[in-house]
Amino acid sequence: DAGITQSPRHKVTETGTPVTLRCHQTENHRYMYWYRQDPGHGLRLIHYSYGVKDTDKGEVSDGYSVSRSKTEDFLLTLESATSSQTSVYFCAISEGTRQDQFFGPGTRLTVL
Amino acid sequence: GIQVEQSPPDLILQEGANSTLRCNFSDSVNNLQWFHQNPWGQLINLFYIPSGTKQNGRLSATTVATERYSLLYISSSQTTDSGVYFCAVAADRGSTLGRLYFGRGTQLTVWP
Repeated sequence: DAGITQSPRHKVTETGTPVTLRCHQTENHRYMYWYRQDPGHGLRLIHYSYGVKDTDKGEVSDGYSVSRSKTEDFLLTLESATSSQTSVYFCAISEGTRQDQFFGPGTRLTVL
Repeated sequence: GIQVEQSPPDLILQEGANSTLRCNFSDSVNNLQWFHQNPWGQLINLFYIPSGTKQNGRLSATTVATERYSLLYISSSQTTDSGVYFCAVAADRGSTLGRLYFGRGTQLTVWP
């Protein structure tokens, strides 16, 4: 299994609070991705990174920011959480754009 | 982005039966992956198959890139095959290079 961990695995927070989710990899892969999974929508890309300090937006980036200061860590921040951001968040990694993406175990976030 | 359609949305089988899941996509791709999401939410890589045919045990997959579809075959199904099967693709060109677009999945239930 690809070495990907996500923390926390579960979080309950209140509307308006900041939240940061962490993805950590031990594979030294260049590309890292954040997706959210909602019923009826499959997985949708939030942001991705193609190298240290190189990031770009995905399909559903509004309300989210990311940072990647080291190859192994990719952080997703909700500056002011809203109930519509209640979801399961998955991190993924890949060596290149034409290669497999491997997914972490997910973080279940509930915003009350 | 690319449109991905999976069929059927739901499938119920008796243990031992065979099944075929289909994935249609709207543009040329350089990445196509099949995933199994188990009842615990973990996304498991099944195949990386932008073209051609692959087999892994009771599972096999075929992608006909020129006709923009992929098929996942499950033979002699087992209860542990239950879960959601996702197809995901990435465009072969353009600003979305490398980004995976997911279908909504096929929910498979296998009864003993």
